[in-house]
Amino acid sequence: GENVEQHPSTLSVQEGDSAVIKCTYSDSASNYFPWYKQELGKRPQLIIDIRSNVGEKKDQRIAVTLNKTAKHFSLHITETQPEDSAVYFCAARFKAAGNKLTFGGGTRVLVKP
Amino acid sequence: NAGVTQTPKFRILKIGQSMTLQCAQDMNHNYMYWYRQDPGMGLKLIYYSVGAGITDKGEVPNGYNVSRSTTEDFPLRLELAAPSQTSVYFCASTIGETQYFGPGTRLLVL
Repeated sequence: GENVEQHPSTLSVQEGDSAVIKCTYSDSASNYFPWYKQELGKRPQLIIDIRSNVGEKKDQRIAVTLNKTAKHFSLHITETQPEDSAVYFCAARFKAAGNKLTFGGGTRVLVKP
Repeated sequence: NAGVTQTPKFRILKIGQSMTLQCAQDMNHNYMYWYRQDPGMGLKLIYYSVGAGITDKGEVPNGYNVSRSTTEDFPLRLELAAPSQTSVYFCASTIGETQYFGPGTRLLVL
């Protein structure tokens, strides 16, 4: 079945440093890869997404890269700030599964001041 | 436009009780989903619907039922609540590719 692996499960960085989270997916036909940020006690919020016809996408301090050959995609957060502390989930939309998303297990990011 | 709404926000159930978690969206989205999120864990799909009158199982459907009589509403029914169903339940809807989540219902089964 569809599978998304996310690493690391926890990540601690110093304020101002960069954070990188990596995800791999199982279905080479997957075509849409969103990233969600979930603050404590809140709902997941979409922060950035990328489609399979694009290799990289940036939005201010966050960027996502996609390697279709290797079937992995990554989230990059630069100049981290304390408000970046949250759990981040990657997801993939598998063509064989209609419009459903399969989520990775999440990465808890802690930005230390 | 209220987006995706869920009620109640929090509920305590006794083992064996039943309840319905409500979810509604006012964005005319066809696709709707129910997820559960156990403490410190990721999102698991319970059920989903691609439109009114059509529902299908996700990866963890046991112990739950859904219905979709209208485009707006997608209630989740728990029959015979068990401690293993203690979780946070998120409803979501999608149009195009973007999935929007509701605020969640925190359920405690004792």
